[in-house]
Amino acid sequence: AQSVTQPDIHITVSEGASLELRCNYSYGATPYLFWYVQSPGQGLQLLLKYFSGDTLVQGIKGFEAEFKRSQSSFNLRKPSVHWSDAAEYFCAALWMDSSYKLIFGSGTRLLVRP
Amino acid sequence: GAVVSQHPSWVICKSGTSVKIECRSLDFQATTMFWYRQFPKQSLMLMATSNEGSKATYEQGVEKDKFLINHASLTLSTLTVTSAHPEDSSFYICSAPTGTASQPQHFGDGTRLSIL
Repeated sequence: AQSVTQPDIHITVSEGASLELRCNYSYGATPYLFWYVQSPGQGLQLLLKYFSGDTLVQGIKGFEAEFKRSQSSFNLRKPSVHWSDAAEYFCAALWMDSSYKLIFGSGTRLLVRP
Repeated sequence: GAVVSQHPSWVICKSGTSVKIECRSLDFQATTMFWYRQFPKQSLMLMATSNEGSKATYEQGVEKDKFLINHASLTLSTLTVTSAHPEDSSFYICSAPTGTASQPQHFGDGTRLSIL
């Protein structure tokens, strides 16, 4: 079955430190991959996406993600975290047989220490 | 600006009340819309897919009679939580697919439903 796994429920980093949020997907064929951010009580904002080509993709707000086929992973990174980055982050995948249904990971809550 | 408008953003009501949530696509037509439910500190759970002019498709385990979905026009889908009870309290989010994989869905800002 198609699934997306985010193994870290929450992560705490100090402001200015680097960040990596993990994401793995299952189900043989490579899906389209996305990272969304959700601030408390709000909807989702697309950070970045991967379809094909360059495995390192750049997104908004200084985020980037690297696709690694061998590991079925699409980890999100940021070199220097800002306090405003504290939010919930969701990895999602879309398999082209799914009628544009996104499969979401369970989310990772990012806490930023001053 | 927002391409999917969801209303209301927050509603508090008494147990037994029915609550309607609207999801509108702005500047584009959506023959399909998705309804998600999100419990605190959890991920989005797809509840159903609404289809303009036909019945919604519900995910396994979702009560069709509890969560009525109507997609009467190409820009409006509604979710009605019937006879709501405290356990129905949650954050409900709608989304509309754009038809392109590059931006698969535009999300509404969500509705926080609190049943007293």
